[in-house]
Amino acid sequence: KQEVTQIPAALSVPEGENLVLNCSFTDSAIYNLQWFRQDPGKGLTSLLLIQSSQREQTSGRLNASLDKSSGRSTLYIAASQPGDSATYLCAVRVNRDDKIIFGKGTRLHILP
Amino acid sequence: GAGVSQSPRYKVAKRGQDVALRCDPISGHVSLFWYQQALGQGPEFLTYFQNEAQLDKSGLPSDRFFAERPEGSVSTLKIQRTQQEDSAVYLCASSLLAVVRTQYFGPGTRLLVL
Repeated sequence: KQEVTQIPAALSVPEGENLVLNCSFTDSAIYNLQWFRQDPGKGLTSLLLIQSSQREQTSGRLNASLDKSSGRSTLYIAASQPGDSATYLCAVRVNRDDKIIFGKGTRLHILP
Repeated sequence: GAGVSQSPRYKVAKRGQDVALRCDPISGHVSLFWYQQALGQGPEFLTYFQNEAQLDKSGLPSDRFFAERPEGSVSTLKIQRTQQEDSAVYLCASSLLAVVRTQYFGPGTRLLVL
C-alpha cells in the first residue's frame, strides 16, 4: 500500500530564507508526483507536477525534485515571502490507477 | 473561465441527518474526483467518475456514502445518517483527462456533524 510522508509537519522561518520541504513515498512505482498548496478555507492549488521520467520541475522561486528509486521528493522555496505561508501537500499518482495519494502536509509559516 | 465550484461551502448537520454536497466541475472536464480531508490530515480519495461512469468507489468509507454524476457534469455526494466522524472538508476536483492532466480542486464543503 502506497504511503506518503511529509517532514516536517510544521515549519517557521524568517522571511528571505531558502527552505526545503521533504516528501517520501513507500512504493517507487508511481506515475507522477505533485506538490500542492492549500490556504486556510480554500481548495488545493497545483504548484508543480513531475512525471515519473523526470528529475525536477521549476516554477519561479519553486523547484521540485524527484528521486523515484529512493522514494523521495523535495520542494525548494527560494527567498521565502510571507505570502508563501500555507500548507504544502505532496501527492503521488499510482501507476495504472487514477487515485492520488496525499501526504499530511507541511504547515509553513514565513515570519515577516 | 470559472473553476470548480462546490456548494454549500459550510454545512452543519445533526447526527443522523442526511446531507447532499454538490460539485460543479470545470466545463468540459471528463474526470471528477471526491476527497475527504479530516482536520490536520491530507485529502483522502473517496471516488472517481469518468463522464457519468463511476469507475472507482473504493475510498467510500461506508455504504452511507453515495456519489452520482448522472449527466457527466455536476456531481452529488450524499451521506446518509451522518455520524460525528463524517465531519471533514469534502473536496471535489476535476481534470480534462484523469491520467494525463492535473486535477483542479474546488474550495471544498466543510461539514460539521453535531
